[in-house]
Amino acid sequence: EDKVVQSPLSLVVHEGDTVTLNCSYEVTNFRSLLWYKQEKKAPTFLFMLTSSGIEKKSGRLSSILDKKELFSILNITATQTGDSAVYLCAVSHNDMRFGAGTRLTVKP
Amino acid sequence: ETGVTQSPTHLIKTRGQQVTLRCSSQSGHNTVSWYQQALGQGPQFIFQYYREEENGRGNFPPRFSGLQFPNYSSELNVNALELDDSALYLCATQTGASAGQETQYFGPGTRLLVL
Repeated sequence: EDKVVQSPLSLVVHEGDTVTLNCSYEVTNFRSLLWYKQEKKAPTFLFMLTSSGIEKKSGRLSSILDKKELFSILNITATQTGDSAVYLCAVSHNDMRFGAGTRLTVKP
Repeated sequence: ETGVTQSPTHLIKTRGQQVTLRCSSQSGHNTVSWYQQALGQGPQFIFQYYREEENGRGNFPPRFSGLQFPNYSSELNVNALELDDSALYLCATQTGASAGQETQYFGPGTRLLVL
């Protein structure tokens, strides 16, 4: 059965900490893995990963995919309170399958 | 702001009723996907429409149906509402037909409560 598993389910850190969010998957016909940030309602796009080992970076956020071990990580360095959100991992195969998300809380 | 709009923002219905949710896509986006997101869970794929034709469906019963119009706006219809249908319903649009080969842009969602 296709599945996407994110860990941890929730995380509380203090401003300035670095966090690593995990996403593992088992799907047929893998096309890409995407990361989204969901603060209130609409998920907003962060990264799309299709190739193993190539880091994508945007400011303090970065992500990498390992297609052999079937996982991806999302790193956030120097966290800020504005990073507090649910981070969703989604894997595209025949359709789009999302994980349950990691709820990140960044305390001042 | 993604340019994708949804209406209504909130809705309260009772069991057995029918509901229609609407999504207007960003200009040039001819593909729309609908998702159901229950509290504390990730979005679950309901179906996708590409150029007015259904182009994929998730594990949802037939009482979940959809339409896409020539201007690429879309509707999600749910008949015979059940309590478990209470969720945030998201639509997402893109330019191509293949999921995951390009970014999907999400609307703000419609929160449905079934009593």
